Amino acid sequence: DAGVIQSPRHEVTEMGQEVTLRCKPISGHNSLFWYRQTMMRGLELLIYFNNNVPIDDSGMPEDRFSAKMPNASFSTLKIQPSEPRDSAVYFCASSLGAQGAYEQYFGPGTRLTVT
Amino acid sequence: AQSVAQPEDQVNVAEGNPLTVKCTYSVSGNPYLFWYVQYPNRGLQFLLKYITGDNLVKGSYGFEAEFNKSQTSFHLKKPSALVSDSALYFCAVSRGGYSSASKIIFGSGTRLSIRP
Repeated sequence: DAGVIQSPRHEVTEMGQEVTLRCKPISGHNSLFWYRQTMMRGLELLIYFNNNVPIDDSGMPEDRFSAKMPNASFSTLKIQPSEPRDSAVYFCASSLGAQGAYEQYFGPGTRLTVT
Repeated sequence: AQSVAQPEDQVNVAEGNPLTVKCTYSVSGNPYLFWYVQYPNRGLQFLLKYITGDNLVKGSYGFEAEFNKSQTSFHLKKPSALVSDSALYFCAVSRGGYSSASKIIFGSGTRLSIRP
């Protein structure tokens, strides 16, 4: 299995621009997670999907962030408009089942820099 | 609500010596406990988990962790450290289940440095 696939691996954009991050989970996994990692705040859960349905989006920082999962093999995290404080590494992860019961498999991350 | 604490930001160990990375947790009900490792410029990688059963859990790369219910701890251990074990280690806890109440909570991470 190829593991969780994320694209792009690096993204540099200017403040105010729209950014779209993409994720392909492991085939057969029914839970998908988006995380953000920074030195200051550590690892933060942004949103969690189960069977393509958002279950918990309480970690989404504000309305500028949105996430979708149109089917079991694809998810996007969009930031519009982007701000310098959004600079971070964004991880997508997937798991076989219930959020707390199964280990998660992480993608390589997207390093976002907003100037 | 559940929480997890990793009291040490950094742990330094000489190669060949045993290592321990500490983790304590707070959760109502029975905990599900995990350890993950993150190498530079990589995503987190699952090491081991405790759901139920034997308190000593064995995982990848020779790591093991001991669940201690009375001390609410789940320390990560390895009998003989390797330089290649140097990485960032995360402990995580949840209650299991599908609701947002069973959210998995990650600790702040402990940087393990193994000197040759």
